[in-house]
Amino acid sequence: GAGVSQSPSNKVTEKGKDVELRCDPISGHTALYWYRQSLGQGLEFLIYFQGNSAPDKSGLPSDRFSAERTGGSVSTLTIQRTQQEDSAVYLCASTPGLAGNNEQFFGPGTRLTVL
Amino acid sequence: AQSVTQLDSQVPVFEEAPVELRCNYSSSVSVYLFWYVQYPNQGLQLLLKYLSGSTLVESINGFEAEFNKSQTSFHLRKPSVHISDTAEYFCAVRGNSGNTPLVFGKGTRLSVIA
Repeated sequence: GAGVSQSPSNKVTEKGKDVELRCDPISGHTALYWYRQSLGQGLEFLIYFQGNSAPDKSGLPSDRFSAERTGGSVSTLTIQRTQQEDSAVYLCASTPGLAGNNEQFFGPGTRLTVL
Repeated sequence: AQSVTQLDSQVPVFEEAPVELRCNYSSSVSVYLFWYVQYPNQGLQLLLKYLSGSTLVESINGFEAEFNKSQTSFHLRKPSVHISDTAEYFCAVRGNSGNTPLVFGKGTRLSVIA
């Protein structure tokens, strides 16, 4: 597609349930990032994939959070046993190549609400 | 590691007035600097960026930002705002080697009043 897409756009779940959020990066982009936008917290980095390298998971807030990137393209962020504090907008971004001056292109986000 | 401080969480300003949104950063390495804008109910869009060269960078809609290394600042300015500039603005930095993640400030909500 023309840009980064994410699905679903909105997700409402009950506390304790697992959720999966999907990101389709721009075709050919080698790097993919997940961020979380919480009210009052701004944007926080979660995890980063670069090509076939091991992902940088340093931003994941707990072991309930995990992510995969299959075939160097689509990525899924999984949150197990969701808690109310997980409610946020989850943003995915992708960037081409390895150069540090590459722009990150953001998707529209998935708004997660944990009841 | 880097960090970003946006000193103002909300900035109300009258239409056609000038505005400055402040951003300070800290980093142990050289950085690239970015301003992103998020209009109501929309995703993040890159507004402008500083990579190297001229310290004054401009966007297509009249915003500009100046990289000041000695003051570790990257303030965003516009001489005359419009109602359509109402949005949340995020300052971000990243190290200038590799594809490291962006480190964002907490955002400044600009409200333009008619």
